[in-house]
Amino acid sequence: GAGVSQSPRYKVAKRGQDVALRCDPISGHVSLFWYQQALGQGPEFLTYFQNEAQLDKSGLPSDRFFAERPEGSVSTLKIQRTQQEDSAVYLCASSLRRSTDTQYFGPGTRLTVL
Amino acid sequence: GDSVTQMEGPVTLSEEAFLTINCTYTATGYPSLFWYVQYPGEGLQLLLKATKADDKGSNKGFEATYRKETTSFHLEKGSVQVSDSAVYFCALGENTGNQFYFGTGTSLTVIP
Repeated sequence: GAGVSQSPRYKVAKRGQDVALRCDPISGHVSLFWYQQALGQGPEFLTYFQNEAQLDKSGLPSDRFFAERPEGSVSTLKIQRTQQEDSAVYLCASSLRRSTDTQYFGPGTRLTVL
Repeated sequence: GDSVTQMEGPVTLSEEAFLTINCTYTATGYPSLFWYVQYPGEGLQLLLKATKADDKGSNKGFEATYRKETTSFHLEKGSVQVSDSAVYFCALGENTGNQFYFGTGTSLTVIP
């Protein structure tokens, strides 16, 4: 498909487990964002990549959150030692060039931490 | 820091009614402004955008004008349809940075 894909779509983790969430952006898109969306809220910015460079990680809530995009395409968001407050939908979006170009969103990964 | 505040919902309108969803922003620079929409069961998608003051974004009968003097980007549509039922998010992107800020979303239901 030509859109942004994310996997898994749903993830249930026990508190303290590590999780890895994958994002496949649109081919050729330079910019990639990760967002966290709590129930009934808007997406909250987590981090931004331009190609393989992570230019902004100011939104990551703690040092348990880590994101990478080693070859400038697929990205992984890793959460270590998950806590209940990490339960949310994690959205990935990509855009062609700049961060203010149109963003194309994936369907999200719903993470539930028990 | 930069932020976006939008009208809280939910909003329920009859078909063909006029729609306004208010959005105001706070920014230190000159951001680009966006409205994104999420239809039931679908992902977020861009509805319209404006990149500088006095620009008007429009799409599918929706319009929003970037007003620097009132720091607003209100969404309007003259005659809503049932198919417009969705959650609408106002958003701000920094032109000199990389962060992106969304409002909390406004749920719209249009009844026949």
